[in-house]
Amino acid sequence: EPEVTQTPSHQVTQMGQEVILRCVPISNHLYFYWYRQILGQKVEFLVSFYNNEISEKSEIFDDQFSVERPDGSNFTLKIRSTKLEDSAMYFCASSAQGRQYFGPGTRLTVL
Amino acid sequence: KQEVTQIPAALSVPEGENLVLNCSFTDSAIYNLQWFRQDPGKGLTSLLLIQSSQREQTSGRLNASLDKSSGRSTLYIAASQPGDSATYLCAVLNTGGFKTIFGAGTRLFVKA
Repeated sequence: EPEVTQTPSHQVTQMGQEVILRCVPISNHLYFYWYRQILGQKVEFLVSFYNNEISEKSEIFDDQFSVERPDGSNFTLKIRSTKLEDSAMYFCASSAQGRQYFGPGTRLTVL
Repeated sequence: KQEVTQIPAALSVPEGENLVLNCSFTDSAIYNLQWFRQDPGKGLTSLLLIQSSQREQTSGRLNASLDKSSGRSTLYIAASQPGDSATYLCAVLNTGGFKTIFGAGTRLFVKA
């Protein structure tokens, strides 16, 4: 069965550094999402992407965040200048006909 | 603003019990509702998807219902097993299909 994959599984970075989290959605899906989950808290919507543009974004998704689909298969989330509070699990999801499939996540630790 | 609440926050039951997990949402203008399972430190596994026009969906021992007008969904697990121990999340996709709001989850522990 096709799966959403994410790399790396764990990223450690220093505060102020840029990070890029990568996702490969399921190949025939058209809708893509990024979420984050701070340890012990709810899964929070960050952004959705459709037809090569952002469809909707949350209040969390400020100017420090950006998304891109650089080559038709990968879907990336960039955080320009990481803060301590960006430490969380970041999940990518893709969907067709409304059902979302999640990747295993990238654990981001900002020191 | 859509808010999703799940009750109870945690549940511990003996193996074999049937159980019901509850999810409520404040805005009935939803596109669909999805139930997920999350094991500790892992990603989310989709269990059931109910479109806004549907009333229920079934998969094996799981049955999910949706009452859009009252803003409620339930996940029924029949004959619970220790392997069902996990956190169960309810998620609502708003009309337009681009923003998903999650509940905080119900942490289930099934004792052997």
